[in-house]
Amino acid sequence: DVKVTQSSRYLVKRTGEKVFLECVQDMDHENMFWYRQDPGLGLRLIYFSYDVKMKEKGDIPEGYSVSREKKERFSLILESASTNQTSMYLCASSLPVRVVGNQPQHFGDGTRLSIL
Amino acid sequence: LAKTTQPISMDSYEGQEVNITCSHNNIATNDYITWYQQFPSQGPRFIIQGYKTKVTNEVASLFIPADRKSSTLSLPRVSLSDTAVYYCLVGDEAAGNKLTFGGGTRVLVKP
Repeated sequence: DVKVTQSSRYLVKRTGEKVFLECVQDMDHENMFWYRQDPGLGLRLIYFSYDVKMKEKGDIPEGYSVSREKKERFSLILESASTNQTSMYLCASSLPVRVVGNQPQHFGDGTRLSIL
Repeated sequence: LAKTTQPISMDSYEGQEVNITCSHNNIATNDYITWYQQFPSQGPRFIIQGYKTKVTNEVASLFIPADRKSSTLSLPRVSLSDTAVYYCLVGDEAAGNKLTFGGGTRVLVKP
């Protein structure tokens, strides 16, 4: 079974801090994703990566950056945390794109981040 | 990218069949329809995917009419543990389209 592990379930940080959220997957997946989930807005894609050192912006990349130095690890960085970044953050991984059909994404259980 | 519309919530009772319909009027020829389930305090979990007609697995069935402008996720004989949010996604990753999660349908199964 695929396991996607996020380093913290709950995190409290202060405005202006640099925040690191870590995600590790154990299935050698090429693709990794970071989402945030807010009530009424569903899941929104922040960044994704389809290979080591590769990254692409999702729908809401402003205020965030990512790092993928190793295949199994994908980090989300809040450069200078703000209160509007209080949210649930979800990491996912998947195999490369299929010729037909879409690859299932495997999610971690999320990090609930509060910025005070 | 195809936009999806699904009911915000629905209630059911244990043992009943639950059907959730998702509308996707501008689905493209190569788009697939994918459903995820999310329990409270957990990440979403892939349930089922289909292109046309009917797909069935151990968890659910997916019915897709010939025009593919909608699809229906069917959960047979639900139990309390099926209480969750269900998301319908439409897209084609092979064409470079990232699948987008909408608001989902919150299903409450009552005793």
